[in-house]
Amino acid sequence: AQSVAQPEDQVNVAEGNPLTVKCTYSVSGNPYLFWYVQYPNRGLQFLLKYITGDNLVKGSYGFEAEFNKSQTSFHLKKPSALVSDSALYFCAVRDQTGANNLFFGTGTRLTVIP
Amino acid sequence: DGGITQSPKYLFRKEGQNVTLSCEQNLNHDAMYWYRQDPGQGLRLIYYSQIVNDFQKGDIAEGYSVSREKKESFPLTVTSAQKNPTAFYLCASSIGLLDTQYFGPGTRLTVL
Repeated sequence: AQSVAQPEDQVNVAEGNPLTVKCTYSVSGNPYLFWYVQYPNRGLQFLLKYITGDNLVKGSYGFEAEFNKSQTSFHLKKPSALVSDSALYFCAVRDQTGANNLFFGTGTRLTVIP
Repeated sequence: DGGITQSPKYLFRKEGQNVTLSCEQNLNHDAMYWYRQDPGQGLRLIYYSQIVNDFQKGDIAEGYSVSREKKESFPLTVTSAQKNPTAFYLCASSIGLLDTQYFGPGTRLTVL
């Protein structure tokens, strides 16, 4: 069965510091991995995805994520946080066998402190 | 949110009433989805549709119904059988089932 864990409900970081939002996953085969961001009372915005290839994926707004197969992780990172990055971040996974569900984590609220 | 619209943004209904949430996309995507979001629980899949006139139940389909008569439209009806309908409802679409999903702005339903 697929599952996603976002171990931190809340992450606080000072503006200008690097940020990391953690995600670990479990799937039966090779994973498709996604990061989305949600601002208050809005839909989810796609940030980036890993399908295959280079383990370091670059996405929108300066975010990147590193796929680590041995640790089954897909942590979201940004070298220098902005106050405007404050939002709710979701990691999601699907296996590559054609299963239809995109399974979401419970979300991590990122607060960037000025 | 571009290309996917949901209406209304806020919806209030009395207990026992059916209510229909609208989702329209102009992205020419074949697949469409409905999710429910509750605080601290992430998103849960209600229904999805791979193509016109076809749809499948997701993880929490009980108390909900959908139709897919047109490629652009995938309305969700929350019926009186849904025991706890108050939630934030998100519609999404993708080119195909394995492609990236893009989300609408959501509808917040409150049942009084």
